[in-house]
Amino acid sequence: GQQLNQSPQSMFIQEGEDVSMNCTSSSIFNTWLWYKQDPGEGPVLLIALYKAGELTSNGRLTAQFGITRKDSFLNISASIPSDVGIYFCAGQLHLGGATNKLIFGTGTLLAVQP
Amino acid sequence: DVKVTQSSRYLVKRTGEKVFLECVQDMDHENMFWYRQDPGLGLRLIYFSYDVKMKEKGDIPEGYSVSREKKERFSLILESASTNQTSMYLCASRTRTLGTQYFGPGTRLLVL
Repeated sequence: GQQLNQSPQSMFIQEGEDVSMNCTSSSIFNTWLWYKQDPGEGPVLLIALYKAGELTSNGRLTAQFGITRKDSFLNISASIPSDVGIYFCAGQLHLGGATNKLIFGTGTLLAVQP
Repeated sequence: DVKVTQSSRYLVKRTGEKVFLECVQDMDHENMFWYRQDPGLGLRLIYFSYDVKMKEKGDIPEGYSVSREKKERFSLILESASTNQTSMYLCASRTRTLGTQYFGPGTRLLVL
């Protein structure tokens, strides 16, 4: 199936550093979602974005819905060791039906050194 | 809080066995999904259901079937398990209108 381009693939940072990752698509989306997945667990929803240009925060996390509707960014400020995991973006185009599927990014592996 | 639960976190089955994976959500969501996740392949959609008794094939339906008899429950069935179905299985649900999708904790299935 189709996947979104997500970068970087992996990041190894020191505790306290800020982190940025992004997703791009050739298609436009009406919804962007960001998830975090810990090893052996299911993805947990971090932030949902529904409008082009929208900027939404959840604690130290901030995500933006790109104005072209083809990209989205996630920033994590002042990283801590428990931020370790894989971060996924997902995009969805609402076509007015009930069967719209999410398209997922390839994931960004984040490692934080204390 | 939305809650999506899966019947087992870990399962070990033998080749040829029939396997049932159960998923329950408590938020009255219309849409439910089954994915499998494998290293290097990402999340792949197996089947989804947009309402009770409705089902649609995803990207990789071969070897699987599903059942949605009640709105809150979506079952994934492996009719005859094979070793290439060893994987992490993730269930998800979402409202029809908003599109925000929530995942369960996953079932790690090993087929010997």
